[in-house]
Amino acid sequence: GQSLEQPSEVTAVEGAIVQINCTYQTSGFYGLSWYQQHDGGAPTFLSYNALDGLEETGRFSSFLSRSDSYGYLLLQELQMKDSASYFCALMDSNYQLIWGAGTKLIIKP
Amino acid sequence: EAQVTQNPRYLITVTGKKLTVTCSQNMNHEYMSWYRQDPGLGLRQIYYSMNVEVTDKGDVPEGYKVSRKEKRNFPLILESPSPNQTSLYFCASSPGDSYNEQFFGPGTRLTVL
Repeated sequence: GQSLEQPSEVTAVEGAIVQINCTYQTSGFYGLSWYQQHDGGAPTFLSYNALDGLEETGRFSSFLSRSDSYGYLLLQELQMKDSASYFCALMDSNYQLIWGAGTKLIIKP
Repeated sequence: EAQVTQNPRYLITVTGKKLTVTCSQNMNHEYMSWYRQDPGLGLRQIYYSMNVEVTDKGDVPEGYKVSRKEKRNFPLILESPSPNQTSLYFCASSPGDSYNEQFFGPGTRLTVL
């Protein structure tokens, strides 16, 4: 079957850089997405990688390596408002979106 | 305002009483989807639809039905709810050129007693 694994929790300091990793098992997929979800809120789209390499969107970057079945989300210049859960998700060859269990990011002042 | 709306936002019901959660989007998106979110499990896709009259099962379709008669609406039907369907439900939509960028509704918290 298809699955994605990510750490359940990551802690970082305000102003620092943090990387959230995502490893996956799948037979084929279109790309890897990242979503942010604040407590009590709905997920919001952050970034998408269809091809290997780095995609940058402001303070957030996402990376994909298909040969290593691995991706990550990089958050720079952390702010307290970045405290949230982050999910990786891949769209399989049937256009079904498969999600990781999420990483809770805790930011300390 | 471009948005996905869901109703109701909160619902407490009893086992076996049929219910429908509505979902509507005003962005003319082709792709719509329903997810349930349970603690520690992330989001799991229930059903998705790539266009009108086209629906496909996701990971956890048992106990749910959907229909896509119009592009903007994608209701989720629980014909005989059971306590294991107590969960937070999200509807989402995305345009045909970027299925990966999904726009989510505010969520429906369902409790089945």
